[in-house]
Amino acid sequence: ETGVTQTPRHLVMGMTNKKSLKCEQHLGHNAMYWYKQSAKKPLELMFVYSLEERVENNSVPSRFSPECPNSSHLFLHLHTLQPEDSALYLCASSHTSSLAGEAFFGQGTRLTVV
Amino acid sequence: EDQVTQSPEALRLQEGESSSLNCSYTVSGLRGLFWYRQDPGKGPEFLFTLYSAGEEKEKERLKATLTKKESFLHITAPKPEDSATYLCAVQAWGEETSGSRLTFGEGTQLTVNP
Repeated sequence: ETGVTQTPRHLVMGMTNKKSLKCEQHLGHNAMYWYKQSAKKPLELMFVYSLEERVENNSVPSRFSPECPNSSHLFLHLHTLQPEDSALYLCASSHTSSLAGEAFFGQGTRLTVV
Repeated sequence: EDQVTQSPEALRLQEGESSSLNCSYTVSGLRGLFWYRQDPGKGPEFLFTLYSAGEEKEKERLKATLTKKESFLHITAPKPEDSATYLCAVQAWGEETSGSRLTFGEGTQLTVNP
């Protein structure tokens, strides 16, 4: 148990659907992250939140919309996705954003866009 | 631009056959180099942080070393349960809010046969 829980574990959605990914951590961390992991590609940072404030948006298309209502919860709202958005979406948390390298990761949501 | 290259892409070992994984990097001021283990269907699990050339860290059968251009993950007498993908990432110095500037390699998929 890593302390970071993601739901759902698997999601299949059509290109016109709207869905949300949820992440929860009870580690007392102040920074939370969304990463995208595609086959044969390095892990890509999408968004960083520090103390519930978005501090980094790594040139992510607007069809991905993050939300951090408090320091324990992070959401990724999805709408009008493309098939190339199919990937493993990972949430992570760390004590501070400067300690991103020592983050705890969730098990990920395997997203398939059809 | 920061870059991380891991080799080999895949490695098959017999149980007990020691070997090393390589992580070559270029970064504009290394803040830290990180190793992770990732099992299929799970998020990465943090293993080690290395900060400066000459530093070494050990955990069970794993030892990580760092030079100014590369890091090695040495696996001594591996067991089948060491089978996983091993990821390397570097973090560059930057502003506090962008301290999350992590660049990941594509990983080495290790298989240890009994």
